[in-house]
Amino acid sequence: AQRVTQPEKLLSVFKGAPVELKCNYSYSGSPELFWYVQYSRQRLQLLLRHISRESIKGFTADLNKGETSFHLKKPFAQEEDSAMYYCALLNSGNTPLVFGKGTRLSVIA
Amino acid sequence: NAGVTQTPKFRVLKTGQSMTLLCAQDMNHEYMYWYRQDPGMGLRLIHYSVGEGTTAKGEVPDGYNVSRLKKQNFLLGLESAAPSQTSVYFCASSPSYSYNEQFFGPGTRLTVL
Repeated sequence: AQRVTQPEKLLSVFKGAPVELKCNYSYSGSPELFWYVQYSRQRLQLLLRHISRESIKGFTADLNKGETSFHLKKPFAQEEDSAMYYCALLNSGNTPLVFGKGTRLSVIA
Repeated sequence: NAGVTQTPKFRVLKTGQSMTLLCAQDMNHEYMYWYRQDPGMGLRLIHYSVGEGTTAKGEVPDGYNVSRLKKQNFLLGLESAAPSQTSVYFCASSPSYSYNEQFFGPGTRLTVL
């Protein structure tokens, strides 16, 4: 069965420091991976998806099939990055997204 | 466009009471979903629908029922609320699985006493 693991419930970093939010997945096929973000008092929204190979708000994520990981990275954290981040997996079957349990990022000034 | 809207925003119930949460979307999306968000548990799928008149169970369906009588609406019902159903409920919609971006509503905070 597909599974998404985010090992850190809370990650605190100082402003300007690099940040890495970890995501590991379990799926035997070719998954599509996503990062969703929920800022305070806002609704959950898509941040980025691996197939786009894009950088959004300075964040990037690379799919590593060998390590079954999709870590979210940003070289210099900003206070406005403080939010709840969810990693999600879409398998090739006809089932909805599977979300991890989320990591709360706190950027300290 | 309003996107995905949810009614009500807040609700307090007593154990055993029933209620219905309404989700509406104006994006003509085929697929709709109901999640619950609990601390330390993340987002868990309750039920989902792949089109008008269809519903399917998600990860945590027990204690909930759903209906999709109209394409734009997806209702979540609690027949006999329990304290374990205290949570924040999110509705989402997407054009299809293959498109894969889900659009979320603002959430409904439900407390069951």
